[in-house]
Amino acid sequence: SQQGEEDPQALSIQEGENATMNCSYKTSINNLQWYRQNSGRGLVHLILIRSNEREKHSGRLRVTLDTSKKSSSLLITASRAADTASYFCATDEIKAAGNKLTFGGGTRVLVKP
Amino acid sequence: EPEVTQTPSHQVTQMGQEVILRCVPISNHLYFYWYRQILGQKVEFLVSFYNNEISEKSEIFDDQFSVERPDGSNFTLKIRSTKLEDSAMYFCASSREVTGADTQYFGPGTRLTVL
Repeated sequence: SQQGEEDPQALSIQEGENATMNCSYKTSINNLQWYRQNSGRGLVHLILIRSNEREKHSGRLRVTLDTSKKSSSLLITASRAADTASYFCATDEIKAAGNKLTFGGGTRVLVKP
Repeated sequence: EPEVTQTPSHQVTQMGQEVILRCVPISNHLYFYWYRQILGQKVEFLVSFYNNEISEKSEIFDDQFSVERPDGSNFTLKIRSTKLEDSAMYFCASSREVTGADTQYFGPGTRLTVL
């Protein structure tokens, strides 16, 4: 798999349910960031987790990072229709100069009211 | 809250024409980036820029592309002779530092359509 691959590719849930998506990567990283993108729109930064952190919370978002497995998860609790979007993980590789972010293919989340 | 802005939101051009995409990064940020996203595909890194020079560029960023910070606020991406395959959403981003723990904030994007 390529650097920053999300799983699943698509997710459909009812409002109020939790949504979990995963990201796997291949190289050593400085940090991993999660972004949200509404259809055809810009990328909204959600959360950054550093390589020495294991879990981070921001509102209804919970992100975990397991560097031994080279994986991260994003949990959205008590989802709302407004959470409908694509979610991307992006890794900042240690060996990459210039702070280049490598994005995954994204998880499309549909929250049904 | 400060944000990255981009103009225009949509640019339509003929193949072979030059285009300049404009960005105003967040004012106290020092590192600037361009990414692109072809419809239905991943966001791809193009170039990073710091201290008035390119820090890193991808294979996509060939001689047809150039970046410039013409003044203290703008950051531009120029495509000299556009091709059909340059049609994509182009995102500008900026960050305050490049310490390995700093957030990149993205603009809303410019949708480039090459006919």
